[in-house]
Amino acid sequence: DAGITQSPRHKVTETGTPVTLRCHQTENHRYMYWYRQDPGHGLRLIHYSYGVKDTDKGEVSDGYSVSRSKTEDFLLTLESATSSQTSVYFCAISESSGSYEQYFGPGTRLTVT
Amino acid sequence: QQQVKQSPQSLIVQKGGISIINCAYENTAFDYFPWYQQFPGKGPALLIAIRPDVSEKKEGRFTISFNKSAKQFSLHIMDSQPGDSATYFCAALPPFNAGGTSYGKLTFGQGTILTVHP
Repeated sequence: DAGITQSPRHKVTETGTPVTLRCHQTENHRYMYWYRQDPGHGLRLIHYSYGVKDTDKGEVSDGYSVSRSKTEDFLLTLESATSSQTSVYFCAISESSGSYEQYFGPGTRLTVT
Repeated sequence: QQQVKQSPQSLIVQKGGISIINCAYENTAFDYFPWYQQFPGKGPALLIAIRPDVSEKKEGRFTISFNKSAKQFSLHIMDSQPGDSATYFCAALPPFNAGGTSYGKLTFGQGTILTVHP
């Protein structure tokens, strides 16, 4: 998985609790992305980062925040988890603009009860 | 707004047959069209990709056909094998422009679950 790890791999949490998912890369790639995967929707971009402390919103950013204090780590936080945020979350990385390929991590399955 | 529409949702093919998955896009600014393959419990992995300046790209048993005027592209898997059974996603990407504002934001289709029977 191209030097990308995600933690935790599985999590069950209750509605209203905060949750933080971590993506860690060893590739020193500039760009990092968080997607969620839901049946019938493919993968949808939540937030992305184009450098340390440089982040922006994606297609489905409501209810999520991110932070990137180091090149290798990109954190996704659900401030107050809701059942609609039950999903599989994937982190991806990409080199600079010379390469368009994105490499995906193994995913985190999050269940909000 | 679904900018990339993929069909069919599921596909069953016999071993040795041809699997065809279709995608249509709306944004004419897209200039990179990858296909990703995903096995259960794994993240998607790039399979093959095409730029709009060519109409076809082939890599082994996998071929992308691209029709710029129709804003459609498709994946053909020749001699389909049981090991090809996976979920396939098409995607589209606008250019990393000089201002860097697109930042590689992929737009994915809904996915196709391919099952190849032995």
